[in-house]
Amino acid sequence: SQLAEENSWALSVHEGESVTVNCSYKTSITALQWYRQKSGKGPAQLILIRSNEREKRNGRLRATLDTSSQSSSLSITATRCEDTAVYFCATEASSGSWQLIFGSGTQLTVMP
Amino acid sequence: NAGVIQTPRHKVTGKGQEATLWCEPISGHSAVFWYRQTIVQGLEFLTYFRNQAPIDDSGMPKERFSAQMPNQSHSTLKIQSTQPQDSAVYLCASSPGLGYEQYFGPGTRLTVL
Repeated sequence: SQLAEENSWALSVHEGESVTVNCSYKTSITALQWYRQKSGKGPAQLILIRSNEREKRNGRLRATLDTSSQSSSLSITATRCEDTAVYFCATEASSGSWQLIFGSGTQLTVMP
Repeated sequence: NAGVIQTPRHKVTGKGQEATLWCEPISGHSAVFWYRQTIVQGLEFLTYFRNQAPIDDSGMPKERFSAQMPNQSHSTLKIQSTQPQDSAVYLCASSPGLGYEQYFGPGTRLTVL
């Protein structure tokens, strides 16, 4: 079973709209990372949020972390067609581990 | 900074042949990771090195897969006697340290006929 898992297989929005991808995880973590993978490319990190942080922003992106419910969300505002990608959350495999476990990903499609 | 470099980008092998995939991590990064990505299984961890030493190969199929990091500038993933089920995108990533992001290469798409 996955240690981290996004809650939706796929989402679609129109340009300019906002969208939120949710993630739940199963272990105690020191940090959770959000990655984006565009077609034909490797994943690229968007935000790293540590367990003592509740919110982190990066431009149009906002990540939240709720350690009590073991959940995280990634919100994108003013979406653009180039935001079309698969979004993953990832956590360390175990405390102090360098290995990341990725969720199965959410395909986000932003339509013109 | 060219990022993580993976070669070849595409490789086609016949069943039973050997495939060697190459990865050049970002200079100065102490950890190198290998992943396999398929539609069905998603992004699966295979193995990783820290300061060139193998640390965790728990994701590696034991019999035909091997990985090495002979120096800090490159790592290889070798698959012997390739099978159709080995067809996947193999991703290499490097990281400067614990708790930092992993920087991924573009991947090598392996197709086993």
